[in-house]
Amino acid sequence: QKEVEQDPGPLSVPEGAIVSLNCTYSNSAFQYFMWYRQYSRKGPELLMYTYSSGNKEDGRFTAQVDKSSKYISLFIRDSQPSDSATYLCAMRDNQGGKLIFGQGTELSVKP
Amino acid sequence: GAVVSQHPSWVICKSGTSVKIECRSLDFQATTMFWYRQFPKQSLMLMATSNEGSKATYEQGVEKDKFLINHASLTLSTLTVTSAHPEDSSFYICSARVPIGGGSGYTFGSGTRLTVV
Repeated sequence: QKEVEQDPGPLSVPEGAIVSLNCTYSNSAFQYFMWYRQYSRKGPELLMYTYSSGNKEDGRFTAQVDKSSKYISLFIRDSQPSDSATYLCAMRDNQGGKLIFGQGTELSVKP
Repeated sequence: GAVVSQHPSWVICKSGTSVKIECRSLDFQATTMFWYRQFPKQSLMLMATSNEGSKATYEQGVEKDKFLINHASLTLSTLTVTSAHPEDSSFYICSARVPIGGGSGYTFGSGTRLTVV
């Protein structure tokens, strides 16, 4: 079993839809949770960063962490064609160790 | 802020030659940098962690003599792919740890697409 599981998609939605992206993990030591967006042939860019459990909102993006279920989510409201990209979840433990990435979900928002 | 500049963005080289990829932190000091490899439609796989002034720590299965990492200053880390072969063709990305809101996050370079012919 991989430490972090993420549905690779692809996921196709119409413009304006609410998108839900999810990851599950197995390591209970993970404390820091991140979502990255990666456009084709580019490096990942940080979208959301959450420590421990809870919700965090930034504009159209909301990140949720449920440590009891080992489950994290990223919601995108009013999705735009410019949101079309691969979304990667990533997490690490409190020891400042390496980031563990999910496989990435390829999202396409159709006009 | 917290920008990592990676060069070159793409490179084509002949089999058997060596290629150097550079990552520079532009507005902060990067004591730790990470090097990843990414195959098409796959996730980032950590190759090694480099700490300024010390030897890199390689992940299991990564050949340290093939992928030479140097982190001689707080703003520069390099990855050299030695005696490159077609199977080394991939997307290589560097990352540096930066402080974010009291915790820490990671910022990534724009990646280098290596094609070995």
